[in-house]
Amino acid sequence: DTAVSQTPKYLVTQMGNDKSIKCEQNLGHDTMYWYKQDSKKFLKIMFSYNNKELIINETVPNRFSPKSPDKAHLNLHINSLELGDSAVYFCASSQANRNEKLFFGSGTQLSVL
Amino acid sequence: AQKVTQAQTEISVVEKEDVTLDCVYETRDTTYYLFWYKQPPSGELVFLIRRNSFDEQNEISGRYSWNFQKSTSSFNFTITASQVVDSAVYFCAHSINTGTASKLTFGTGTRLQVTL
Repeated sequence: DTAVSQTPKYLVTQMGNDKSIKCEQNLGHDTMYWYKQDSKKFLKIMFSYNNKELIINETVPNRFSPKSPDKAHLNLHINSLELGDSAVYFCASSQANRNEKLFFGSGTQLSVL
Repeated sequence: AQKVTQAQTEISVVEKEDVTLDCVYETRDTTYYLFWYKQPPSGELVFLIRRNSFDEQNEISGRYSWNFQKSTSSFNFTITASQVVDSAVYFCAHSINTGTASKLTFGTGTRLQVTL
């Protein structure tokens, strides 16, 4: 069983389109995250949700809207895609009050043409 | 604000050599956590170690060892007798915990290439 699974693995789309990436964790964690890895491999946090509540929002353009229907799911919707959105997006989860490590999904490679 | 510096962008070694990956962090927090993650060519992020700021004991796990020194704000990672399978990008990260989220700040990564 995959602990943190995200779909799709690859996403190729045109500028201006709207797309979503889904993430699910089966670890029973209370906190989920989205990280972005750019072409230079730099990893930066975008959002964090704890029990469906937005906790961290790191000055991400409002074209990016995370949605957490329950604590096991955190989806990322992106409107009006731009070339600069091309990156690998990683979902992660952790049990925050135990200061544990983050478990990462395998990443979604988004290519905007 | 937290900052993690991995000054070595890329390191190339021949198999069986020992290699040390440097990590220096900046933080104003007294309680924090330090991590190392490995990203092999397949792309996933693999957890290697977590250390809290109160535990300066060095750790060894097989061929891997970590040296945490608060006095120099460093958390270096050594691979002994490197192997081709160690080829990957290695990330050092710093985290503070707010009780509801762990915010990891990553360094820029060190790409390790191990050749035969």
